[in-house]
Amino acid sequence: QVHLVESGGGVVQPGGSLRLSCAASGFTFGAYGLHWVRQAPGKGLQWVAAISYDGRENYYPDSVKGRYTISRDNSKNTLYLQMSSLRVDDTAVYYCARDFGGLAVVATSDSWGQGTLVTVSS
Amino acid sequence: EIVLTQSPGTLSLSPGERATLSCRASQSVRRCLAWYQHKPGQAPRLLIYDASNRATGIPARFSGSGSGTDFTLTISSLEPEDFAIYYCQQCSNWPPITFGQGTRLDIK
Repeated sequence: QVHLVESGGGVVQPGGSLRLSCAASGFTFGAYGLHWVRQAPGKGLQWVAAISYDGRENYYPDSVKGRYTISRDNSKNTLYLQMSSLRVDDTAVYYCARDFGGLAVVATSDSWGQGTLVTVSS
Repeated sequence: EIVLTQSPGTLSLSPGERATLSCRASQSVRRCLAWYQHKPGQAPRLLIYDASNRATGIPARFSGSGSGTDFTLTISSLEPEDFAIYYCQQCSNWPPITFGQGTRLDIK
């Protein structure tokens, strides 16, 4: 059974940095692409990053490009999201999700974690 | 960027009724569209991928249809556990991967 557990959320001041982690189990971690998706309070889902199975390819929307970095450690079955220059509107629950496509990122997520809350506030 | 517009914003129905949710794309996404169910405090759940394929473990009362720019998620007979928010998401032209704004399905 696929299991994804996010951690690292908390309160950070505007302009600060934070690193999220997502521990995975129940599947061959190194054979799947992964995503981070967020949900701001009262808002819908917003995709914020994707990474290929081997970590060589990363993708971001313009809203976070240059501020967020997605990475993975396949030896530890862990996905990361390094966030810097954080803004108040980055406040959200951040979910990690497994891509449906295996070795090819197909931009559909078939398993999700429960999320971790990031609050950017002074 | 492909914009997805979902309608209605809120749908109020009773258990046993049929629910029809719509998703319209600003340009063709072929059949590369997924539907997710999301309940407060829970992980989102993939229901439908590639417009009409049910994900593993999804009951047959959920079905998807459409191609190009117009898509529909149908729940044939609502169960109490189906009341949630539903999102469509396109996978055709990315980055960015985009979601619709969601349809809230409420108990009437």
